Amino acid sequence: KQEVTQIPAALSVPEGENLVLNCSFTDSAIYNLQWFRQDPGKGLTSLLLIQSSQREQTSGRLNASLDKSSGRSTLYIAASQPGDSATYLCAVYADTSGSRLTFGEGTQLTVNP
Amino acid sequence: NAGVTQTPKFQVLKTGQSMTLQCAQDMNHNSMYWYRQDPGMGLRLIYYSASEGTTDKGEVPNGYNVSRLNKREFSLRLESAAPSQTSVYFCASSGIDETEAFFGQGTRLTVV
Repeated sequence: KQEVTQIPAALSVPEGENLVLNCSFTDSAIYNLQWFRQDPGKGLTSLLLIQSSQREQTSGRLNASLDKSSGRSTLYIAASQPGDSATYLCAVYADTSGSRLTFGEGTQLTVNP
Repeated sequence: NAGVTQTPKFQVLKTGQSMTLQCAQDMNHNSMYWYRQDPGMGLRLIYYSASEGTTDKGEVPNGYNVSRLNKREFSLRLESAAPSQTSVYFCASSGIDETEAFFGQGTRLTVV
């Protein structure tokens, strides 16, 4: 059974700092990996999708990397802003079924002005 | 684009009542999912449908039933609601071949 772990569970940083969120998964036979953002009381917003053949994806100040062999992904946020405060979730698609997403529990990020 | 639409947004039920949560997507996606999100438990898969006409159990299917009515719609039914089903429910959809998943805004359900 695929298990996804996100470390740390919570992170508080001053504005302007660069930061890294970590995601690890137990079964390296994944189809792809997706990072989401969730604001309090809201749904999930897709940030980045890394396909199985890719090693990283970038969108603005966000960069996500994927190392399937070691079962790890990182989300790098550059020059953090208070508006980045949210919970960040990673999810992996299982390879065999092709359709099942397994989520980590998320990292709650607070960026202080 | 509407994306994934869930109804209702909020619902309060009494123990033993039944209800159906509706979900529709307009992205021509094959796969659709129902999750529940609880504090400290993360998002847990209830049921999913890899294509029209098929459904499969996820991690926590007990107490729920689903119907993939057509390619667009995937409903979740609680036949006899219990307080343990108090949660936020999310519907999601994704295409085939490694395309990204999109989520609805959620249904906040309270069972008293």
